[in-house]
Amino acid sequence: DIQMTQSPSSLSASVGDRVTITCQASQDISNYLNWYQQKPGKAPKLLIYDASNLETGVPSRFSGSGSGTDFTFTISSLQPEDIATYYCQQYDNLALTFGGGTKVEIK
Amino acid sequence: QVQLQESGPGLVKPSQTLSLTCTVSGGSISSGGYYWSWIRQHPGKGLEWIGYIYYSGSTYYNPSLKSRVTISVDTSKNQFSLKLSSVTAADTAVYYCAREELGAARHLGYWGQGTLVTVSS
Repeated sequence: DIQMTQSPSSLSASVGDRVTITCQASQDISNYLNWYQQKPGKAPKLLIYDASNLETGVPSRFSGSGSGTDFTFTISSLQPEDIATYYCQQYDNLALTFGGGTKVEIK
Repeated sequence: QVQLQESGPGLVKPSQTLSLTCTVSGGSISSGGYYWSWIRQHPGKGLEWIGYIYYSGSTYYNPSLKSRVTISVDTSKNQFSLKLSSVTAADTAVYYCAREELGAARHLGYWGQGTLVTVSS
C-alpha cells in the first residue's frame, strides 16, 4: 500500500499569512495527487487535482506543486473562510489513500 | 449538477451487516467514465477509502476491508450500495459516497453529504 504522510497535523496562522502543507508518498506516484478541503460537518471538496491543477471555481490563492514523492499545498493569503482540514490523496494504483489531514486555524 | 445522497440505518448492532445506498441524480451511473466510491471517516479522524464500483459491476476494495465489503450497483435505479459485514464499534463512522472522475486525471469531484452510522447494541 502507498502511505501518505501529511504535515503538519495542525497549524495556526493569521489572516493574510502564507500557509504551506506538505504531503509525502511512500513511493513514487508521479503527479497522481489531489488536495481536498473539508469544513466541519461537511463533505470534502476538491481543490487541486494532479498535484497542481486548480479545480474550476476554486480561488487562485490555493495552489499545489510537486511530483514523485514530495508535494506541497499552499494558501498564498489565508482568509477566514479557509478554516478547515485539508487532505492530500493519491491515486497511483487502484487503491486510493488519503493523508492524515492538516487542520488550519486562525491565530 | 450531479448530486449524491446516502441513505440507510443510522444504528447497526455489533456483528450485523451495515447496508447503505447512494442515490445519484443529475447524471447516469450507466454513462461510464466514473468510479462510484465509498469513503468513511471515523469521528474526529481522517478519511478512509472503502472501495469503488464501475457501472459494469467491476469492483476494487481497500485491502484492509476487503473480506467484509461488498459494493453493488443498480443501474435501473441509478443507485449503488455498500454492505459491510460483521461490524464492530470500530466501524462507527460517517460514510460518504462519491463519484470519481476517470481518464487522464482521477479525482473525487462529487460527494454526498455523508451519513453517520453508529455500531452499538
